[in-house]
Amino acid sequence: EPEVTQTPSHQVTQMGQEVILRCVPISNHLYFYWYRQILGQKVEFLVSFYNNEISEKSEIFDDQFSVERPDGSNFTLKIRSTKLEDSAMYFCASREQGARYGYTFGSGTRLTVV
Amino acid sequence: EDKVVQSPLSLVVHEGDTVTLNCSYEVTNFRSLLWYKQEKKAPTFLFMLTSSGIEKKSGRLSSILDKKELFSILNITATQTGDSAIYLCAGSSAAGNKLTFGGGTRVLVKP
Repeated sequence: EPEVTQTPSHQVTQMGQEVILRCVPISNHLYFYWYRQILGQKVEFLVSFYNNEISEKSEIFDDQFSVERPDGSNFTLKIRSTKLEDSAMYFCASREQGARYGYTFGSGTRLTVV
Repeated sequence: EDKVVQSPLSLVVHEGDTVTLNCSYEVTNFRSLLWYKQEKKAPTFLFMLTSSGIEKKSGRLSSILDKKELFSILNITATQTGDSAIYLCAGSSAAGNKLTFGGGTRVLVKP
C-alpha cells in the first residue's frame, strides 16, 4: 500500500536553529498538508498546499514557517528559528483530487528543541 | 472557530465488549467527517463519511454520520486487544480541506 514517507523520524535541535522536515507524499496525490501534535494535545492543522502554492494556513503558521515542493516529489516544512514551544510531532499528509478520498498521514517527525 | 469534541476521553473494556465512540463537530463549510486510529505515531485512516445516515462498515468497525445533529459515532464490536489505541475524529472543510481534529478517545481493551 502506498505510504507517505517522512524523514527524519526524530530530530533534536538547539533553540534558534533552522530545521527542515522532509516528506515524500504518495505520487499521484495533489494535496499536501502539515499538521503537528504537541505531546498530550490535539493534532493541529498548520498548512495546506496545492498546485505549488499555499491554499490555507493556520495562525500557528507564522513567518517562521515555510513550505516548499522543490522537486516534484519532496514536500518540506522549514522552521527558521526554532523555539522551545515548537517541540512536537510533525505529520505530513497527502490526498488525491476529489472529495471522496481520505487523507494519508506519514509516520511523523518528532522535533525536540532544547 | 471550528471545533470537534470527542467523548468519552478514555474507556477500558474487556475483549469481546462493544464500544461506541462519539464525535460532535462544528465546522464551517463542512465537507466530511473522518475517523482515524492512532497507535504509536501516524493516524491511520478508518472511515470518511460525507452523507448523513449511511453506515460504513469495515470488519468489526462501523460508523455513521448525522449532519442534522452534527455528530458521528464509531462502533467497535467484539473488541480485541489490538483495538487498543487512540481514536481520532476530524471534520474537513470544503475551503482548503483542512482537518480539524478532536482530542481523541483512548480505548484500552484488556484480555
